[in-house]
Amino acid sequence: SQQGEEDPQALSIQEGENATMNCSYKTSINNLQWYRQNSGRGLVHLILIRSNEREKHSGRLRVTLDTSKKSSSLLITASRAADTASYFCATGDYNTDKLIFGTGTRLQVFP
Amino acid sequence: DTAVSQTPKYLVTQMGNDKSIKCEQNLGHDTMYWYKQDSKKFLKIMFSYNNKELIINETVPNRFSPKSPDKAHLNLHINSLELGDSAVYFCASSLGLAGKNIQYFGAGTRLSVL
Repeated sequence: SQQGEEDPQALSIQEGENATMNCSYKTSINNLQWYRQNSGRGLVHLILIRSNEREKHSGRLRVTLDTSKKSSSLLITASRAADTASYFCATGDYNTDKLIFGTGTRLQVFP
Repeated sequence: DTAVSQTPKYLVTQMGNDKSIKCEQNLGHDTMYWYKQDSKKFLKIMFSYNNKELIINETVPNRFSPKSPDKAHLNLHINSLELGDSAVYFCASSLGLAGKNIQYFGAGTRLSVL
């Protein structure tokens, strides 16, 4: 399967703590994207990092990309209860032009 | 205004029935998609249309037939529904092809086949 893998599968933290999620993928990519899915809702795009970039920031989000290891991480700083959701990485496949989603990390932030 | 809207939100039906899910986007995008999310939250591409032309057709049973009457609409028709078709189906759109661009998702249609 081309599907990427994320770890951990589930993460529980207290408000104010940082949350780190990791994503590994298998193919050559144009970019890597992170999406959030609240329970019962559609996916919402968070951030896109291109294959020639190593780090990107957006508000409380920090994404890193290591193409040599085919891995990425998403750091959410100073987490809030409202950050509770599932987070998916998705790779823009270089050869097929598909967006291939990872298995997701379920984040629970306790107030 | 909802950017990508799909109807219905919930669909409960019996095995063997035929059903359709509609999707519309008002973002001016040229590419639209159908994804299936199973009970383990795995999200897999089913179909992709660019300017009304089918460009991605994953290994999906022939019972599933997408139709794109224009760039803003992509509907999904499912014949002879089976228990294994129960899932959440998401419509999405992007400006340009999936591998290079951000996708915008609808809220999903939860299909339950009894």
